[in-house]
Amino acid sequence: SQQGEEDPQALSIQEGENATMNCSYKTSINNLQWYRQNSGRGLVHLILIRSNEREKHSGRLRVTLDTSKKSSSLLITASRAADTASYFCATVLMDSSYKLIFGSGTRLLVRP
Amino acid sequence: DAGVTQSPTHLIKTRGQQVTLRCSPKSGHDTVSWYQQALGQGPQFIFQYYEEEERQRGNFPDRFSGHQFPNYSSELNVNALLLGDSALYLCASSLVANAGELFFGEGSRLTVL
Repeated sequence: SQQGEEDPQALSIQEGENATMNCSYKTSINNLQWYRQNSGRGLVHLILIRSNEREKHSGRLRVTLDTSKKSSSLLITASRAADTASYFCATVLMDSSYKLIFGSGTRLLVRP
Repeated sequence: DAGVTQSPTHLIKTRGQQVTLRCSPKSGHDTVSWYQQALGQGPQFIFQYYEEEERQRGNFPDRFSGHQFPNYSSELNVNALLLGDSALYLCASSLVANAGELFFGEGSRLTVL
């Protein structure tokens, strides 16, 4: 099974609303990253949070990390139709700095 | 500054054939990773190349092999194709000094008939 699992699998919101996606993982991590993918295209790196960090911001994105619960959340504020995409969390394990382990993603639809 | 480029973008093969996919990393990057993404799933790590050596490998059979050239570009080869190899193959580049932040290409969509 995959290291990270996103929740919900799909999310539909109205433009202007906030979108929250959650990610849970199983083993200790070096860092956790969030990526975005538009309809079968390449992934775009959004934000990286290290295991000793609890919260990071980047523009309209806010990421939290709770290592005691082995979970992370991605908040997109004031969503736009252009935010429609799949969002993946990915972890770098403590025992390996070389590969990302991706979850199965959350499909976000922002209705205009 | 060119990002990660992959070729071909789409290709169709039949079972048993072999395929080679190519990747040029982002300028200044020295590490190339390959991922397989089945429809509706997250990317799965195949392997990573650094200094022309396979540094780490995921849970993929030996039919999947790769190469990195002195200019850091890379190839992914898949032999004896199976229907289940149909997927989007993503190349990602990075700097070895960074803790895993990847820059992805647009992928090569492989269909095996």
